[in-house]
Amino acid sequence: GAVVSQHPSRVICKSGTSVKIECRSLDFQATTMFWYRQFPKQSLMLMATSNEGSKATYEQGVEKDKFLINHASLTLSTLTVTSAHPEDSSFYICSAMGTPQRPYGYTFGSGTRLTVV
Amino acid sequence: QQQVKQSPQSLIVQKGGISIINCAYENTAFDYFPWYQQFPGKGPALLIAIRPDVSEKKEGRFTISFNKSAKQFSLHIMDSQPGDSATYFCAALKETSGSRLTFGEGTQLTVNP
Repeated sequence: GAVVSQHPSRVICKSGTSVKIECRSLDFQATTMFWYRQFPKQSLMLMATSNEGSKATYEQGVEKDKFLINHASLTLSTLTVTSAHPEDSSFYICSAMGTPQRPYGYTFGSGTRLTVV
Repeated sequence: QQQVKQSPQSLIVQKGGISIINCAYENTAFDYFPWYQQFPGKGPALLIAIRPDVSEKKEGRFTISFNKSAKQFSLHIMDSQPGDSATYFCAALKETSGSRLTFGEGTQLTVNP
C-alpha cells in the first residue's frame, strides 16, 4: 500500500516553455504533498508544501511564480515549471502524507528528470 | 537546530561485509527517524525507521541503533550485497500534522562483489 505515482519520469523541453509534473496517491488520501528538487549527488531540497484545497507554502528562495503547485484533490498534486530555463534542469520528486498510511512516513514518487534545452 | 548531519559521504564495502552509516541531530523535538534508500533515477523509498523510545530496531539485514542522549542514530547493513549499492539518507521528523522531513546529506554506498 501507500503508492505514489509520478509522471512523467523524464521530460525534455525547450527553453521558455512550461512543463507539468503530476503526482498521484493511488491508495490513500494525500492530505499533504511535498515537492523536492534534487541535484546530482546531493540531498533532497524541499521546494514547497501543499495541503489539499489550500495554497502551497514555498520555501525561502523558491519562486512561486515559476514553480506553480496545485493540490486540488486528495489524490492529485501538480507542479508546473513555467518558462523553463536550463538552470531549472533537475530531478523533481513529490512526496505525499495522508491517511491511511502505514508505516508512518512520507511516500515518495519515482521522480521526474527535467532537462531544459 | 533543524540540521541532520550524516557521514560518511561515500562508503565502499566488500560483499558480505557490514555497512555503517551515522547520523546526528540537534533538535530534541524530533521523534521519528527514518532511513531512505534511493537508487539512481528513482525516488527515495522508506527502508526502516525508529522512534526514540527504543535503542535498536532490526528488520532483516538492516538495523537502526539509536542513542538518545548522544542525539545520534546509525544504520547497519549486515551481509552487504551488491544490490544494496544505492544512496542512503537518514531523516528526522516531529510527528505533527504537516511536519516536514529534515534529511541528512546522503551516503553513496558501493558494495563490491
